[in-house]
Amino acid sequence: DAKTTQPNSMESNEEEPVHLPCNHSTISGTDYIHWYRQLPSQGPEYVIHGLTSNVNNRMASLAIAEDRKSSTLILHRATLRDAAVYYCILRDPSGGSNYKLTFGKGTLLTVNP
Amino acid sequence: DGGITQSPKYLFRKEGQNVTLSCEQNLNHDAMYWYRQDPGQGLRLIYYSQIVNDFQKGDIAEGYSVSREKKESFPLTVTSAQKNPTAFYLCASRPGGSNTEAFFGQGTRLTVV
Repeated sequence: DAKTTQPNSMESNEEEPVHLPCNHSTISGTDYIHWYRQLPSQGPEYVIHGLTSNVNNRMASLAIAEDRKSSTLILHRATLRDAAVYYCILRDPSGGSNYKLTFGKGTLLTVNP
Repeated sequence: DGGITQSPKYLFRKEGQNVTLSCEQNLNHDAMYWYRQDPGQGLRLIYYSQIVNDFQKGDIAEGYSVSREKKESFPLTVTSAQKNPTAFYLCASRPGGSNTEAFFGQGTRLTVV
């Protein structure tokens, strides 16, 4: 399975943009890039996903490098409620391993007031 | 309301006892998952099920067992063979097919004394 690499932790200030990086140098052509986040003492929640083009939704934006070996989750204006662990994972919709869903350690985002 | 429910939220057991954690979903999802999370760590996959009456071992299945007799239910039994059972347990479900998002329950915090 293709792996992702994320920094263990990052800090941001409230009201400022946050760029959370993810490296996936062994990504295959059919892998989608998914992001989830986990607030303290809660289960993870889906944030966004993409394949090749940049994606936007109400929670965040996803910028995908042209070679797809890295991506960046962008929170345009961080709030204290965005403090969470952010997970970047790869999902291959084809093949027998389609249903397996594995997470790494993610990035712990701290937002300072 | 549709969702995925884990119960109880907190569970205490004596060492050497088996304990079963409940996970129920009314989202009509085909796939269900169990994860374990230790303090400061990411999610580790215990078992997953693609369809009723079928399940596969994840990365840390030893000392755990599951069943999938009904589509909406995927209970996890932590057996006495699990050497370090105290942890936060998360259940998730997602629709079958290709590129769908997973929905997580709120977790069960198991403490074995």
